[in-house]
Amino acid sequence: DAKTTQPNSMESNEEEPVHLPCNHSTISGTDYIHWYRQLPSQGPEYVIHGLTSNVNNRMASLAIAEDRKSSTLILHRATLRDAAVYYCILRDFGNEKLTFGTGTRLTIIP
Amino acid sequence: GAGVSQTPSNKVTEKGKYVELRCDPISGHTALYWYRQSLGQGPEFLIYFQGTGAADDSGLPNDRFFAVRPEGSVSTLKIQRTERGDSAVYLCASSPIRGGPLDEQFFGPGTRLTVL
Repeated sequence: DAKTTQPNSMESNEEEPVHLPCNHSTISGTDYIHWYRQLPSQGPEYVIHGLTSNVNNRMASLAIAEDRKSSTLILHRATLRDAAVYYCILRDFGNEKLTFGTGTRLTIIP
Repeated sequence: GAGVSQTPSNKVTEKGKYVELRCDPISGHTALYWYRQSLGQGPEFLIYFQGTGAADDSGLPNDRFFAVRPEGSVSTLKIQRTERGDSAVYLCASSPIRGGPLDEQFFGPGTRLTVL
């Protein structure tokens, strides 16, 4: 499986935008980039996914580099409820499982 | 609507005992997954069901672990002769179609297993 690399932790001020980076230099042409997050004492929840183009949904935006070797999850206005561990995961057809790394622990400062 | 539910939420057992963990997926979801999460780590895949059959059990650590989904809905993860190293949060997830990179997985809250 292609590997992703994320910073162990990040901090951001409440109501500020947050940019969470992910490197995936060995990504294949058919790998989708998925982001999940895990709030304290809960199971992971889906955030967003994309293939080549930038994506927006009600939770976040996903910016994908032109060479697809990196991506950035953008939370436009962080709230205290966004404090969680964020996981960047690559998925391809035929690969049903999610392969989690250790993710980025995001702390929001009030 | 109802999400994925898991019971019990907490289970404490003694080394060597047998345990069963239950997962109720979202109604109509055909794909079901089990993961295990140790403290400070990301979840680790155990097994994936498509309908009633285990399509991928490559993540089960050894033959003490077994899972079933006899009617294609509820699933039970069974652990025999538990060891202290089995202590973890066991997560269940389901997805609506066949799985794959276009489907999101919906996770339950997990069962925290403690083996004394």
